Amino acid sequence: ETGVTQTPRHLVMGMTNKKSLKCEQHLGHNAMYWYKQSAKKPLELMFVYSLEERVENNSVPSRFSPECPNSSHLFLHLHTLQPEDSALYLCASSPRDRDNSPLHFGNGTRLTVT
Amino acid sequence: GNSVTQMEGPVTLSEEAFLTINCTYTATGYPSLFWYVQYPGEGLQLLLKATKADDKGSNKGFEATYRKETTSFHLEKGSVQVSDSAVYFCALNNQGGKLIFGQGTELSVKP
Repeated sequence: ETGVTQTPRHLVMGMTNKKSLKCEQHLGHNAMYWYKQSAKKPLELMFVYSLEERVENNSVPSRFSPECPNSSHLFLHLHTLQPEDSALYLCASSPRDRDNSPLHFGNGTRLTVT
Repeated sequence: GNSVTQMEGPVTLSEEAFLTINCTYTATGYPSLFWYVQYPGEGLQLLLKATKADDKGSNKGFEATYRKETTSFHLEKGSVQVSDSAVYFCALNNQGGKLIFGQGTELSVKP
């Protein structure tokens, strides 16, 4: 049990579908993150939320839309994705944004876009 | 800018062999340094960390020493086990900045 739970674990979707990834943390953390992990590439930070406010958006295409309704939940809404978006999407949390505290990661959602 | 460079994998070792995974960094100021581990099918977990020069982080038999003079944070273990097979990520965090990861090094330990 990592304290950060992601669902679903696996997702296969067509390019015209709309789906959502969910992340939940019960650690009392105030910052939550979405990362993209592709084969043979460094982890890419996509979005950062601090106290439910988006504080970072790293030039992510608009087909990815994050939502943070409260400090325990984070969503990534997906629509009209491309095959190159297939990757492992990792959610993480930390006590606060922009300090030296370690990140706590979920187990990820393995996304395949067909 | 800040960056982290790790040795390329995969690294394949026999059980009980000595492990070194090299990590060097470029950063302004005095960052904190981390090693994360990702076991198959899982997310990343913090393995160890060091927050200032000459600090040694250790956990589960793994060690890494923060060397400011060589800007390095190499990961070592004296005797690896099959269960250590995973991908290892070096990372740095400057105060007020975001966590920067290396590209990861895959370790495979054979019985």
